[in-house]
Amino acid sequence: AQSVAQPEDQVNVAEGNPLTVKCTYSVSGNPYLFWYVQYPNRGLQFLLKYITGDNLVKGSYGFEAEFNKSQTSFHLKKPSALVSDSALYFCAVRDGRNNDMRFGAGTRLTVKP
Amino acid sequence: DTEVTQTPKHLVMGMTNKKSLKCEQHMGHRAMYWYKQKAKKPPELMFVYSYEKLSINESVPSRFSPECPNSSLLNLHLHALQPEDSALYLCASSQDRGPGYWQPQHFGDGTRLSIL
Repeated sequence: AQSVAQPEDQVNVAEGNPLTVKCTYSVSGNPYLFWYVQYPNRGLQFLLKYITGDNLVKGSYGFEAEFNKSQTSFHLKKPSALVSDSALYFCAVRDGRNNDMRFGAGTRLTVKP
Repeated sequence: DTEVTQTPKHLVMGMTNKKSLKCEQHMGHRAMYWYKQKAKKPPELMFVYSYEKLSINESVPSRFSPECPNSSLLNLHLHALQPEDSALYLCASSQDRGPGYWQPQHFGDGTRLSIL
């Protein structure tokens, strides 16, 4: 079965510093990977996806993610964190056999001024 | 603003009540989803509709009954719920087939449900 893992429950960074939120995947076949962000009392908002092609994927709000096949990772990154980036981040994988989307446990990012 | 609209935003109901959650999208998506999300946890898939037909039911108790009256609407009928059913219920939609199949799911802001 397709799955993703987010090894960190919580990530704390100072404003202006680079941030990384980690995700590893386990899939059979080609991986279809996504990052979503969730702000309090809101639904999930799509940030970026990897389907095929370049290993560095650029997304919304200055976020990017690096697909690494050898390490089976898809880490989310941003060069300079903002306080407003504080939220819950989910990595997800799409099952190619159906419409299912499987989410990681989530990582709470806190950016301190 | 989200392109998937869910109503109501909040719902408090007793264990004997019957209520419905509603979801609407006008993006032409033919796949629609219901998720349940507990606090600080990832969304858990409940149901998937593809072209208005139920394609996935993740062993959800029968007190939850989904309905897809047309390609833009998705309902979740609730009856005799338990306190543990209190959660945020999220609706999502996506393209189902063709070149857009790998496009992301679009989520509504959810209905926060509390069972007394």
